Amino acid sequence: SQQGEEDPQALSIQEGENATMNCSYKTSINNLQWYRQNSGRGLVHLILIRSNEREKHSGRLRVTLDTSKKSSSLLITASRAADTASYFCATEGGTGTASKLTFGTGTRLQVTL
Amino acid sequence: DTEVTQTPKHLVMGMTNKKSLKCEQHMGHRAMYWYKQKAKKPPELMFVYSYEKLSINESVPSRFSPECPNSSLLNLHLHALQPEDSALYLCASSHKTPFYNEQFFGPGTRLTVL
Repeated sequence: SQQGEEDPQALSIQEGENATMNCSYKTSINNLQWYRQNSGRGLVHLILIRSNEREKHSGRLRVTLDTSKKSSSLLITASRAADTASYFCATEGGTGTASKLTFGTGTRLQVTL
Repeated sequence: DTEVTQTPKHLVMGMTNKKSLKCEQHMGHRAMYWYKQKAKKPPELMFVYSYEKLSINESVPSRFSPECPNSSLLNLHLHALQPEDSALYLCASSHKTPFYNEQFFGPGTRLTVL
């Protein structure tokens, strides 16, 4: 399997704190994406960072990418109870019709009041 | 319309049954995907359709048979499944550029095989 690894597997924080999740992958990529999944439901795309980018921001989200270390991190600032979910990194590799996403193992985030 | 819809939401079937999962999108996306997700695991890619043609089959057993009747619809036909096939089945779609494709996911069909 080319699946990436995420750590921590689970993270519990209080509302207002920052949450950091890390993702490592094994092969060369076109881009890396982060998705959120609320319990047992569909995934929602959060942010995409291209292989030639090092950092990207979107609202309370900050993503970094280090292709030399094959790793990425997702920072959620000022967390809210509504951020409670599983977070997956996904790498896109291949080209054209062979392009596909490979998901990491996921981090389960619990934000308490 | 930025939604991917999936029917049914829940499905219980016996090992001898034949059933189908349906997925629909009206975003003009020309790539559509089926994923399988077991509890507390990441989604695993099963099939990719690009311009209504099957482009990737991740060595999925033949008891799963995908079909893309047109650019908006994607079906997954199920026959003679095993209990270990019980999972959440997710459909997704995306634009078909060479890469940089954000995928839009449906809510999934939770399948139980008895």
